[in-house]
Amino acid sequence: DAGVTQSPTHLIKTRGQQVTLRCSPISGHKSVSWYQQVLGQGPQFIFQYYEKEERGRGNFPDRFSARQFPNYSSELNVNALLLGDSALYLCASHRGDTGELFFGEGSRLTVL
Amino acid sequence: SQQGEEDPQALSIQEGENATMNCSYKTSINNLQWYRQNSGRGLVHLILIRSNEREKHSGRLRVTLDTSKKSSSLLITASRAADTASYFCATALMNRDDKIIFGKGTRLHILP
Repeated sequence: DAGVTQSPTHLIKTRGQQVTLRCSPISGHKSVSWYQQVLGQGPQFIFQYYEKEERGRGNFPDRFSARQFPNYSSELNVNALLLGDSALYLCASHRGDTGELFFGEGSRLTVL
Repeated sequence: SQQGEEDPQALSIQEGENATMNCSYKTSINNLQWYRQNSGRGLVHLILIRSNEREKHSGRLRVTLDTSKKSSSLLITASRAADTASYFCATALMNRDDKIIFGKGTRLHILP
């Protein structure tokens, strides 16, 4: 079975631009979460989606938004990019019966 | 904000020695999980311990949980060079499984 896939793997944007990151969870997993990881820090929770509904939201500004599609894939959008948005963005697929998270390799965003 | 705090922040030991990392958290939890991350890549789930469990083993890993002290420890026995990585504890808050919160991590370096 394929693991969690994220795209793109790397991208460079300039301040003020917008970015869309994509995630496909493990087949059969209905919930995904998004995390932001700045170098040297732990992952910070951004959103969780389950069955296309937002279930949880972290302490991030409204510039961050997400959605989940009927096939359970998800997109994270960030508008009006700031230098501080430079980070590794991780998507995690939830195994419902155990609570384990399965992570993709992440999308590394650099904002210049 | 971080729910869990790992201690120490960094640890260097000789190959073959045991490595112990600790995690403290602030609020009641449903479960606590440990993850490993190699060089800024995706996180890999190691072990999950539920709030009604006190100790769990998986191969060379041993996890303990003390809910009265709101703390957990991860012991890696007979360390190997391949164990060099960052280790994170993550907590699923009581009644809030939609939000799994990570600590800042312990950077473990195994010396040859």
